[in-house]
Amino acid sequence: DQQVKQNSPSLSVQEGRISILNCDYTNSMFDYFLWYKKYPAEGPTFLISISSIKDKNEDGRFTVFLNKSAKHLSLHIVPSQPGDSAVYFCAASPEGMGAQKLVFGQGTRLTINP
Amino acid sequence: GAVVSQHPSRVICKSGTSVKIECRSLDFQATTMFWYRQFPKKSLMLMATSNEGSKATYEQGVEKDKFLINHASLTLSTLTVTSAHPEDSSFYICSASPTGTGALHFGNGTRLTVT
Repeated sequence: DQQVKQNSPSLSVQEGRISILNCDYTNSMFDYFLWYKKYPAEGPTFLISISSIKDKNEDGRFTVFLNKSAKHLSLHIVPSQPGDSAVYFCAASPEGMGAQKLVFGQGTRLTINP
Repeated sequence: GAVVSQHPSRVICKSGTSVKIECRSLDFQATTMFWYRQFPKKSLMLMATSNEGSKATYEQGVEKDKFLINHASLTLSTLTVTSAHPEDSSFYICSASPTGTGALHFGNGTRLTVT
């Protein structure tokens, strides 16, 4: 049972445009959500997170939106840069901000084209 | 910043042999570390929670006798894949977070290939 789903395995975006990565979840107990970025042969690195009490969190070029009623979150990257090309995982936890035990989506491979 | 080191990064072994993977927190202590496995085009699946000084907690469907976890110190957890088979070939990643921060840091992973 896949509790966190990223239905798009890949996404290709022109440099300078907006990249939108989507993530859906099924467990209503999840209250903390994170996005990780992963380069080949490296572990995931933390990008941005959002608590369920918020619907938006912004950090520079990265913004995460949370729609609790739809159990959906998205990551917006604008403007997209070639260095953003990586696999992006969304993750969720029912443990709040100190969450260590995470449930991951399958990942979306983002390719930024020059 | 906090760093988690994982070794080896890549290992090839023959069927039936055992492989040990190390996960170290380099500049912080971690009472809890996590081991994940990733199949191609699949999500990172949590295998087990490694607890310093006590038994690991395994997720449903993970064979504890096959994936032995030892967390003997506050900076080191090891995962041993015993009697490895080709279907154990995968990417294994550990993670840990400095106590009280909630910031989870990942190792660079170990690509295991069993021939």
